[in-house]
Amino acid sequence: AQSVTQLGSHVSVSEGALVLLRCNYSSSVPPYLFWYVQYPNQGLQLLLKYTSAATLVKGINGFEAEFKKSETSFHLTKPSAHMSDAAEYFCAVRRGSGNNNDMRFGAGTRLTVKP
Amino acid sequence: IAGITQAPTSQILAAGRRMTLRCTQDMRHNAMYWYRQDLGLGLRLIHYSNTAGTTGKGEVPDGYSVSRANTDDFPLTLASAVPSQTSVYFCASSDSGQTEAFFGQGTRLTVV
Repeated sequence: AQSVTQLGSHVSVSEGALVLLRCNYSSSVPPYLFWYVQYPNQGLQLLLKYTSAATLVKGINGFEAEFKKSETSFHLTKPSAHMSDAAEYFCAVRRGSGNNNDMRFGAGTRLTVKP
Repeated sequence: IAGITQAPTSQILAAGRRMTLRCTQDMRHNAMYWYRQDLGLGLRLIHYSNTAGTTGKGEVPDGYSVSRANTDDFPLTLASAVPSQTSVYFCASSDSGQTEAFFGQGTRLTVV
């Protein structure tokens, strides 16, 4: 079965600093990987996804993530944090050959951006 | 605007009462899902439906039931609510099981 571990339930950065949110996955078959963002009192919105094409994936709002099979990681980065990036971020994994009912989410990382 | 509509947005419910959370999508997506979100646990799948007329159990199905009479609607029913069902519930859909899921705004349910 697939699973995801997000390292750090809370991350705090200063405005303009690098954002790094960590995600490690476990999957016995080639995975699809996703990052979702949740703003307060809203649903989840897709930031980016890896579906076995390029290992460096660019998403919305300046975020990107790199699939590293050897490290079973899919960390999310952004070079320069904005105040508007403050939100909860979820990493998710599913089998590439499967369906979304296989999808498993991490516990989430809350990002705080300090002025 | 196309998307997923959930109702109600929030509800306080007495334990033992029956409650149906509504979910409607207008994107003609085949697959729909119900998740619950709890602090420190992320999102966990309750039930899913890969196409109208079929449903399946997710990770945490106990105490919940669903139906999928048509493509657009996927209601979630709590037959007899218990306090441990206090959570935020999200409905989601995807074009098939293969593409990313789109989420509704959520229903905050408190069982007292």
